[in-house]
Amino acid sequence: AQTVTQSQPEMSVQEAETVTLSCTYDTSENNYYLFWYKQPPSRQMILVIRQEAYKQQNATENRFSVNFQKAAKSFSLKISDSQLGDTAMYFCAFSTTSGTYKYIFGTGTRLKVLA
Amino acid sequence: GAVVSQHPSWVICKSGTSVKIECRSLDFQATTMFWYRQFPKQSLMLMATSNEGSKATYEQGVEKDKFLINHASLTLSTLTVTSAHPEDSSFYICSVDTGGDEKLFFGSGTQLSVL
Repeated sequence: AQTVTQSQPEMSVQEAETVTLSCTYDTSENNYYLFWYKQPPSRQMILVIRQEAYKQQNATENRFSVNFQKAAKSFSLKISDSQLGDTAMYFCAFSTTSGTYKYIFGTGTRLKVLA
Repeated sequence: GAVVSQHPSWVICKSGTSVKIECRSLDFQATTMFWYRQFPKQSLMLMATSNEGSKATYEQGVEKDKFLINHASLTLSTLTVTSAHPEDSSFYICSVDTGGDEKLFFGSGTQLSVL
């Protein structure tokens, strides 16, 4: 069975600085997808970034980038130039690519950006 | 992507009554939708996978007779909480699976409070 672990329940960062959120996962699959979703106080889930396991290149989306270490089963999110609007709950998620695939979410990291 | 509309945003009901939550995919024909439940400050727990034109697949521990799911068209899935009790109070979120993109797009959620 697949599992997703986020070991940092809460983090804070000063505005304009950089922060890294950790995520590890466990699977026996060789091909899969990994995601970071953001849930601000409005509770709307928003896709931040997506990584395909067969791609070695780390995904980037503007100020957001990931460090994907497939052998270590690690998938961290780096937020550069943090903004107040980045304050939210961040969930790491995993999805298989075949069969009855499901999305499995980690327990989340609450990030607070300080002015 | 997909625009997902979920209604109502919040609902208060008396214990013993039933509540229906609608999830509409406005610009994507969704054969698969997912229903999640989220307790305060916790992660998303998958309740069931809603399949258009067929019975939903429920996760272990989720009572199918209590949480009725109907996915009668490619744009609409409904979750009915039957004979609601205070312990059913929670935030319910639907999502649309866009298939080949392996991305989930979420509704804005429904906060259910059972008195």
